[in-house]
Amino acid sequence: AQKITQTQPGMFVQEKEAVTLDCTYDTSDQSYGLFWYKQPSSGEMIFLIYQGSYDEQNATEGRYSLNFQKARKSANLVISASQLGDSAMYFCAMKGWTDKLIFGTGTRLQVFP
Amino acid sequence: DVKVTQSSRYLVKRTGEKVFLECVQDMDHENMFWYRQDPGLGLRLIYFSYDVKMKEKGDIPEGYSVSREKKERFSLILESASTNQTSMYLCASRPYTGGNSPLHFGNGTRLTVT
Repeated sequence: AQKITQTQPGMFVQEKEAVTLDCTYDTSDQSYGLFWYKQPSSGEMIFLIYQGSYDEQNATEGRYSLNFQKARKSANLVISASQLGDSAMYFCAMKGWTDKLIFGTGTRLQVFP
Repeated sequence: DVKVTQSSRYLVKRTGEKVFLECVQDMDHENMFWYRQDPGLGLRLIYFSYDVKMKEKGDIPEGYSVSREKKERFSLILESASTNQTSMYLCASRPYTGGNSPLHFGNGTRLTVT
């Protein structure tokens, strides 16, 4: 069975600092993908970044990067130069060889000035 | 831009009622999903559909059923609503292109069962 674990219910970071949001996963599939989503207080789900299990390089999208450590089964999201608008819930998700996509419990990030 | 539309933003129903939550997407996506979101529990998958008339149970299907008669529409049915089904329900879709296609979400339906 697949499982996603986010152990940080809440995180605080000062504006302009970097922050790492943790995500570990468990799967027996050889091919899988990992996603991160942002959910601001408005409730919409915003796709941020994707990492495939066979991708050799860590994914990056602007200020977002994914620290993918396959042997440790971790896919941490790194946000550089945090902004006040980054305050939101962040969800890690995984897709195995089927089309089923499962999510973690989320981390609430608060950015303070 | 992909649009996933959920028919109601807020819904209040009574215990024992049959409840229909509707979701429509306009991008011809094969895959559609229903999740419920609860504080501290994240998003939990109720059902998903590979294509028309095809469905698979997710992690918490008990008390729910689904219908996908047309490609663009995926309905979630609460056969007999109970108070523990009070939650935010999110519909999502994605194309069947394999690995990296992200989910596109609707705005959610907040259901209250009294």
